Amino acid sequence: EAGVTQFPSHSVIEKGQTVTLRCDPISGHDNLYWYRRVMGKEIKFLLHFVKESKQDESGMPNNRFLAERTGGTYSTLKVQPAELEDSGVYFCASSQGTSLFFGPGTRLTVL
Amino acid sequence: QKEVEQDPGPLSVPEGAIVSLNCTYSNSAFQYFMWYRQYSRKGPELLMYTYSSGNKEDGRFTAQVDKSSKYISLFIRDSQPSDSATYLCAMRGGGSNYKLTFGKGTLLTVNP
Repeated sequence: EAGVTQFPSHSVIEKGQTVTLRCDPISGHDNLYWYRRVMGKEIKFLLHFVKESKQDESGMPNNRFLAERTGGTYSTLKVQPAELEDSGVYFCASSQGTSLFFGPGTRLTVL
Repeated sequence: QKEVEQDPGPLSVPEGAIVSLNCTYSNSAFQYFMWYRQYSRKGPELLMYTYSSGNKEDGRFTAQVDKSSKYISLFIRDSQPSDSATYLCAMRGGGSNYKLTFGKGTLLTVNP
């Protein structure tokens, strides 16, 4: 069974540009999460989808971040416009119960 | 005060050593406790998942939770070079709230 996949694995953009990250959860998992690790800090929660609905978006830093989950399948996280402090590793995770399975992450570098 | 404190190390041990990794937390609402292992350039991988105070064993790994002291531990027996990774503690509240709060992670190197 395929795990959680994320695309791209690495993205380098300039400040002010737009970037869209994609996550494909494990098939059948209703719960999808986005987390982020900024260098030197802990992995922090961004938001939680249950199917296509946002269950908890309390961790989203500001309105430059927009997450969607079309049809309750894959999810995208768009950052527009990107700022230097958005650099970090963005992890997606999915679950059908209590155990979260993480993807390999997307390393975002904003120059 | 951070909700979860974890010594980032780094920790370096010889092969075969017993490794002890620890986290403390301040939020009494945390009910579930996890340990994740993360290899370089990979995502966190769930190792252990515990709920109640006490010990839980899985092969060479033992997770220990002391809710009264707000202290959790992971012990690795007979450590192997393949155990070299970053170990992250994570915890969450009860019910359907699956939002995890992570520690910073401890970088472990097991030397052959």
